[in-house]
Amino acid sequence: DAMVIQNPRYQVTQFGKPVTLSCSQTLNHNVMYWYQQKSSQAPKLLFHYYDKDFNNEADTPDNFQSRRPNTSFCFLDIRSPGLGDAAMYLCATSRDRAGTDTQYFGPGTRLTVL
Amino acid sequence: AQSVTQLGSHVSVSEGALVLLRCNYSSSVPPYLFWYVQYPNQGLQLLLKYTSAATLVKGINGFEAEFKKSETSFHLTKPSAHMSDAAEYFCAVINNYGQNFVFGPGTRLSVLP
Repeated sequence: DAMVIQNPRYQVTQFGKPVTLSCSQTLNHNVMYWYQQKSSQAPKLLFHYYDKDFNNEADTPDNFQSRRPNTSFCFLDIRSPGLGDAAMYLCATSRDRAGTDTQYFGPGTRLTVL
Repeated sequence: AQSVTQLGSHVSVSEGALVLLRCNYSSSVPPYLFWYVQYPNQGLQLLLKYTSAATLVKGINGFEAEFKKSETSFHLTKPSAHMSDAAEYFCAVINNYGQNFVFGPGTRLSVLP
């Protein structure tokens, strides 16, 4: 029973060509997160939505945008991918933003930029 | 600001041996602490979490961790390693205001036959 689903699992794009990654959840959680994880590194939070409230991390490049059209779906848009944006992108959800709330992760989308 | 350090980017143990993965945290407020496991090309799965209840926390797959405030540590242990435990392990901290979820750099565990 998949709870956090990410599509596609592997995405190849060209330098500068916009790309959208998709995340959906069946948990009805209020919070959805996007992380970037580069090879052999820890996940780094890009931004999160608390319901419809968008919260951007201070050091997230403007090249990264997000949309959450409803509770179940959240999208990561990379407007002009560079070679340095090649990474695994992880979506996560949590019921709320309290420290006790577990984050549930999807399987990730591995992005390759040619 | 919260931060996490994990001593040892790579740990190797023999099958059946004790697993010890180290995590130390820095936080100006009482933290909540988590251990996640990541298998190759997969997302992160929660092993266990400390949320200011019992200091010894038991998780899935036989793992446990002990919160030691005096040492600012939250080390992960398992009495007997199994081949299926080979993965990347991340310690993470979040303050009790729900902000600043920060992962440590990770420790890759190898289990030798």
